[in-house]
Amino acid sequence: KNEVEQSPQNLTAQEGEFITINCSYSVGISALHWLQQHPGGGIVSLFMLSSGKKKHGRLIATINIQEKHSSLHITASHPRDSAVYICAPNAGGTSYGKLTFGQGTILTVHP
Amino acid sequence: ETGVTQSPTHLIKTRGQQVTLRCSSQSGHNTVSWYQQALGQGPQFIFQYYREEENGRGNFPPRFSGLQFPNYSSELNVNALELDDSALYLCASSLGLVGSSYEQYFGPGTRLTVT
Repeated sequence: KNEVEQSPQNLTAQEGEFITINCSYSVGISALHWLQQHPGGGIVSLFMLSSGKKKHGRLIATINIQEKHSSLHITASHPRDSAVYICAPNAGGTSYGKLTFGQGTILTVHP
Repeated sequence: ETGVTQSPTHLIKTRGQQVTLRCSSQSGHNTVSWYQQALGQGPQFIFQYYREEENGRGNFPPRFSGLQFPNYSSELNVNALELDDSALYLCASSLGLVGSSYEQYFGPGTRLTVT
């Protein structure tokens, strides 16, 4: 079983739709990153959170540490949101100092 | 504030050769992590350097080695290149150790092709 599971793996939406991407993990963590990767490779860190909820523009990230689950929401989706979204928990304890990456969710938003 | 930069952008090498990839951390960041991302897969952690010392390593053989310099720039060296080493190599810098909830800032990556 993978340490990090994302769902869905592929997501297609129409412009304006509300998007939710889910991430479940099995390791103990100190924080969790949501990353965005566009074709060509560059990765941008969207959020780093260790509890509760964070909001940035149309993006909202939530995390439930007890349930080992996080979600990324995009309100009023736009074609420029099309990218791969990756959940990456920071493992703590003896695994101190590394990110474990989910397999990514490929989001395509059509105009 | 200068972001994370990597060089070169693209590189083609032959099996058996050696390669050095470079990363310049964001200003003030003392921690750098290197990741390998094969085509169609998520990144895999290679190793992390904190204040010039290796601080954690993933499941990569010893022919993957690194250095971090006093100015916190970093190198990833790969010896005896294999075809499977073809990937996007990403570095990410942060202000402190990753486990201590410091956000990582990623560079654009170096795409290595081994023929």
